[in-house]
Amino acid sequence: AQSVTQLDSHVSVSEGTPVLLRCNYSSSYSPSLFWYVQHPNKGLQLLLKYTSAATLVKGINGFEAEFKKSETSFHLTKPSAHMSDAAEYFCVVSEAGGSYIPTFGRGTSLIVHP
Amino acid sequence: DTGVSQDPRHKITKRGQNVTFRCDPISEHNRLYWYRQTLGQGPEFLTYFQNEAQLEKSRLLSDRFSAERPKGSFSTLEIQRTEQGDSAMYLCASSLAQQGGTDTQYFGPGTRLTVL
Repeated sequence: AQSVTQLDSHVSVSEGTPVLLRCNYSSSYSPSLFWYVQHPNKGLQLLLKYTSAATLVKGINGFEAEFKKSETSFHLTKPSAHMSDAAEYFCVVSEAGGSYIPTFGRGTSLIVHP
Repeated sequence: DTGVSQDPRHKITKRGQNVTFRCDPISEHNRLYWYRQTLGQGPEFLTYFQNEAQLEKSRLLSDRFSAERPKGSFSTLEIQRTEQGDSAMYLCASSLAQQGGTDTQYFGPGTRLTVL
């Protein structure tokens, strides 16, 4: 069985400061992990994905995430927030050897203050 | 643009009516997924197809919901006898099957259903 927990429902940062969005997962198999972003009235867009290659994954728009098996975490970071980063972010787990049905977290709303 | 498209974008209906939504995936993608998303929640899996075969259905999917993907191209999701609790955003995604569950899903803009 697989599950994902996004530890914060809202994260508020000032423009130019670092962003950290936290995600813990549970998986019976080797997981694939994804981060998606959803801007208001827009479709979900893939930011990055981990598929058992390099544990540090770089994505679009300066985001990156590190897979830590010992901590069952896949936190999303960005060194410097932009106003355009304000959106809803979803962490997703999918199991190799499972049914390949992704499980989404409940989302973290990123608020960026000028 | 050859992304995933969904039609209609918005649907308002009265309780008890039937509604049907359409999803056109990216043309070379063989997997197609339907999700439901309510306010403040992540997308919730409903069902998925590989080519024309419906391989999985969520236990949350009541008998009033049915989905088809004739010929493995576009898909339709029908809700019969709608209830107010069906009000949500219905999302479609498509992917090219990869080993190990590593598919990247590409999402459409969604159909927002409001049941009065």
